[in-house]
Amino acid sequence: GENVEQHPSTLSVQEGDSAVIKCTYSDSASNYFPWYKQELGKRPQLIIDIRSNVGEKKDQRIAVTLNKTAKHFSLHITETQPEDSAVYFCAASGDNQGGKLIFGQGTELSVKP
Amino acid sequence: EPEVTQTPSHQVTQMGQEVILRCVPISNHLYFYWYRQILGQKVEFLVSFYNNEISEKSEIFDDQFSVERPDGSNFTLKIRSTKLEDSAMYFCASRAPGDHGYTFGSGTRLTVV
Repeated sequence: GENVEQHPSTLSVQEGDSAVIKCTYSDSASNYFPWYKQELGKRPQLIIDIRSNVGEKKDQRIAVTLNKTAKHFSLHITETQPEDSAVYFCAASGDNQGGKLIFGQGTELSVKP
Repeated sequence: EPEVTQTPSHQVTQMGQEVILRCVPISNHLYFYWYRQILGQKVEFLVSFYNNEISEKSEIFDDQFSVERPDGSNFTLKIRSTKLEDSAMYFCASRAPGDHGYTFGSGTRLTVV
């Protein structure tokens, strides 16, 4: 089955710096890669997603890149702000997997003012 | 914006007792899921449900677990005889046909004592 690895587990940056979180997946049939932000005690909130037919997607300060050949995808946050502090999860799913999401282990991002 | 509603928000139960976690998915969604998240860990897939039957389940979803859609709106997760290790946040999610995007509920925190 699908396995998703996420790094780093913790990331601390200064306000205004960029943050990059990386994930790799194992199942080449996966074709949907969302990123979720989770604040303490809250539900995962979708922040951006990418499908396998594109290599990059951007939404304001957030971007995701996908390398299908290498089976890895990354989240890029620019001009980080203290409110970006949270746990970020990557996930993968595919049409052959019934739509279930397989999550990475999470990255705790801390943005210091 | 439509929401997935979960009740209760927090449940405390004695080990060995049965619990039922309730979810009301978005009305036009046809795919339903339960995930769990042990404190400080990643979100784990439990089960997917489509067309009134389980379409896939994980190794976690053993004989102690069951799901049901008793009417046109509710989707429930039952744990027959709870164990201490069942303590976690349980998230319900739903999605529409042809759409990869999930909507997660706000979760039920289950504490087994």
